[in-house]
Amino acid sequence: QKEVEQNSGPLSVPEGAIASLNCTYSDRVSQSFFWYRQYSGKSPELIMSIYSNGDKEDGRFTAQLNKASQYVSLLIRDSQPSDSATYLCAVNMGYGNNRLAFGKGNQVVVIP
Amino acid sequence: DTGVSQDPRHKITKRGQNVTFRCDPISEHNRLYWYRQTLGQGPEFLTYFQNEAQLEKSRLLSDRFSAERPKGSFSTLEIQRTEQGDSAMYLCASSYGIGGGTDTQYFGPGTRLTVL
Repeated sequence: QKEVEQNSGPLSVPEGAIASLNCTYSDRVSQSFFWYRQYSGKSPELIMSIYSNGDKEDGRFTAQLNKASQYVSLLIRDSQPSDSATYLCAVNMGYGNNRLAFGKGNQVVVIP
Repeated sequence: DTGVSQDPRHKITKRGQNVTFRCDPISEHNRLYWYRQTLGQGPEFLTYFQNEAQLEKSRLLSDRFSAERPKGSFSTLEIQRTEQGDSAMYLCASSYGIGGGTDTQYFGPGTRLTVL
């Protein structure tokens, strides 16, 4: 079982719509969770961090965490063409080394 | 506050050559990480420093790979006897942390390595 899984294929959404991305993780002791955005050929850029169950909102982005189900999600409201990118879910594996385990990412294409 | 910087941004080398990459973390960040990313995959952890101490190495980091952070500031990653399979984006990240599990890591622009 992979540490972090993002199974959805490319997601195409019309401009102004909501994009929904999902991520599951395997280790119940994980304590912190991150969403990074990565444009083609660029490095990951932090969008959101979340540590507690529930929702966390930042502008057009909302992260949701459910530790019981080992599930993290990201909603992008009022999607813009500039949101077209790959979104990486990352989980801090703890155990004293703080390494991040990443999913393979979900590509989002916002259609004007 | 300047971000994480990496040098060079691109490196093309021939198989069998040695290459060295440099990473300068965000000032006052005590933790520094190296990751490797290949096309279509998420970044994979390579190694982690807290100050000058290398605390964790992935099994992905073969004997041909070595990393240092001699004064707890910048770090270098060296690959000896490069192979075509080493072609990837090498990412450096830094964070500030005391305990465990909640650091936020900020990534540099990466070094893209192509081994011919």
